[in-house]
Amino acid sequence: NAGVTQTPKFRILKIGQSMTLQCTQDMNHNYMYWYRQDPGMGLKLIYYSVGAGITDKGEVPNGYNVSRSTTEDFPLRLELAAPSQTSVYFCASRTGQGVETQYFGPGTRLLVL
Amino acid sequence: QKEVEQNSGPLSVPEGAIASLNCTYSDRGSQSFFWYRQYSGKSPELIMSIYSNGDKEDGRFTAQLNKASQYVSLLIRDSQPSDSATYLCAGGNTGTASKLTFGTGTRLQVTL
Repeated sequence: NAGVTQTPKFRILKIGQSMTLQCTQDMNHNYMYWYRQDPGMGLKLIYYSVGAGITDKGEVPNGYNVSRSTTEDFPLRLELAAPSQTSVYFCASRTGQGVETQYFGPGTRLLVL
Repeated sequence: QKEVEQNSGPLSVPEGAIASLNCTYSDRGSQSFFWYRQYSGKSPELIMSIYSNGDKEDGRFTAQLNKASQYVSLLIRDSQPSDSATYLCAGGNTGTASKLTFGTGTRLQVTL
């Protein structure tokens, strides 16, 4: 099992550009999450999904969109990138049985200039 | 707003000593708590989970939970240089898709 994979590892965007951060898990987990982590800060939840076709906003959803067409994939879309979106983005997943551990991907470092 | 508070550190302890990391939380509905370790430039990895009041031990790590005081701690015995990392405390409950609220983390430095 590869676990949770994320692409790209690093990206530089210009202000106003758009991009999609990819997240895939091969553990057949129902629940998936997108977080952002700013320097010296904890993780902030952007969006989450409890299964294919079901998504909901987290704590900081503005400027982002998600979709969940399959159990495996949970892409995060940035529209009209802004410098405030410079951050490290982590995708995570878990099975959905109670509050058990979330498994994190390696992260995508995004710089918006 | 649900909050999880941690001292940002750095907490510096000599090799072989006990490191004590603390965390408080505001949401009394939180049922489950987790300690994640995060090395610089890496993703968080789970160290301990705790669901009931009291202590839970796993090797050199002991998690402590006091729901009355809304307090969670992590003790690391026989600290090693490889324990140097940021430790994130997180709390959650089953009623909200098990979303976790993370603290900002405590940076631990184990010195030789």
